[in-house]
Amino acid sequence: GENVEQHPSTLSVQEGDSAVIKCTYSDSASNYFPWYKQELGKGPQLIIDIRSNVGEKKDQRIAVTLNKTAKHFSLHITETQPEDSAVYFCAASREGSSASKIIFGSGTRLSIRP
Amino acid sequence: GAVVSQHPSWVICKSGTSVKIECRSLDFQATTMFWYRQFPKQSLMLMATSNEGSKATYEQGVEKDKFLINHASLTLSTLTVTSAHPEDSSFYICSARARPGLPNEQFFGPGTRLTVL
Repeated sequence: GENVEQHPSTLSVQEGDSAVIKCTYSDSASNYFPWYKQELGKGPQLIIDIRSNVGEKKDQRIAVTLNKTAKHFSLHITETQPEDSAVYFCAASREGSSASKIIFGSGTRLSIRP
Repeated sequence: GAVVSQHPSWVICKSGTSVKIECRSLDFQATTMFWYRQFPKQSLMLMATSNEGSKATYEQGVEKDKFLINHASLTLSTLTVTSAHPEDSSFYICSARARPGLPNEQFFGPGTRLTVL
């Protein structure tokens, strides 16, 4: 079945440095790739997404890249701040199908050191 | 916009009792709602997909008679955990999608923490 792998499982970076989280997916028909941030005791919040017709998308300090050929995509957070500390999940799905569901990666616990 | 609420936010119950969790889309109509379960330090696992007015589709390994899902309106879905046991203790999260298929954005609720004693 569909699978999304995510690395690393934990990541600690100095405040102000960049953080990179990488994911690979197995379903070549996947065309929608959202990223979620989950804070302790809360539901996931969409922070950025990318569709397969583009290779990169940026929103302020957050950017996502997609390599369809290699079936992997990455989240880049620049100038990290303490409030960036959370668990981040990548996901993949087939947009355009009424039966589509989102497959989540295993999550990355990001800690920002002051 | 696109706010999803859940009620209750947390619940503690005795083993053998049933618990109902509500998921509401507050400012949009959700044709599809999803229910996830998340154990500590793990990812979200999809339990079932429910479309308004039809039976829910359960993922493999999820007991449909134990986790009853009702999607009676375009803004409300309920998950009932029947005869709950300690192993059902988990964080239950719902999400809602406004339109089928495209775009595929799902909006997540804040979650409900269930503790079964």
